[in-house]
Amino acid sequence: AQSVSQHNHHVILSEAASLELGCNYSYGGTVNLFWYVQYPGQHLQLLLKYFSGDPLVKGIKGFEAEFIKSKFSFNLRKPSVQWSDTAEYFCAVRSGGSYIPTFGRGTSLIVHP
Amino acid sequence: NAGVTQTPKFQVLKTGQSMTLQCAQDMNHNSMYWYRQDPGMGLRLIYYSASEGTTDKGEVPNGYNVSRLNKREFSLRLESAAPSQTSVYFCASSDGGMNTEAFFGQGTRLTVV
Repeated sequence: AQSVSQHNHHVILSEAASLELGCNYSYGGTVNLFWYVQYPGQHLQLLLKYFSGDPLVKGIKGFEAEFIKSKFSFNLRKPSVQWSDTAEYFCAVRSGGSYIPTFGRGTSLIVHP
Repeated sequence: NAGVTQTPKFQVLKTGQSMTLQCAQDMNHNSMYWYRQDPGMGLRLIYYSASEGTTDKGEVPNGYNVSRLNKREFSLRLESAAPSQTSVYFCASSDGGMNTEAFFGQGTRLTVV
């Protein structure tokens, strides 16, 4: 079964700092990859997704992620975070012909103004 | 643009009581899901429905039942609530194909006392 690891459980940054959140998955075949964001008290919203093509994916709000197949990774990056980026971030993977996404445990990001 | 609508948003139950969480989507999606979100555990799949008339167990189905009433609606029932079922429940839907993402409802915060 697919598993998804998010190594950073809690991240605290100051505004304008750079962000990188790690995500690794276990299945080695064809994958669809997602990053979702959950702002306090809200539902999950899609930040970006990778299905095929260019492994560098750009999403909303200045976020991007890079799919590195050899490392089974899909890390999320943002060059300069804002206070409004305070949220929980979830990596999700779909693989093996299954349409069901498997989620990581999430990373809580706090950005201090 | 309603998307995925869940009711209720909040609920407090006594141990042993039953209740049904409702979910409806207006995107004509084939697949629907119920997840529970617990601190440090991420999102765990309870049940899913690939299409109208079918349901299958996910990772944590014990204590729950589901009904795919029609293409739009997918309900989750707790027959005899337990404190371990205190959680935030999210309903989601997707087109069911590989190159599509899941859309989430606003969540139901359930407390069992």
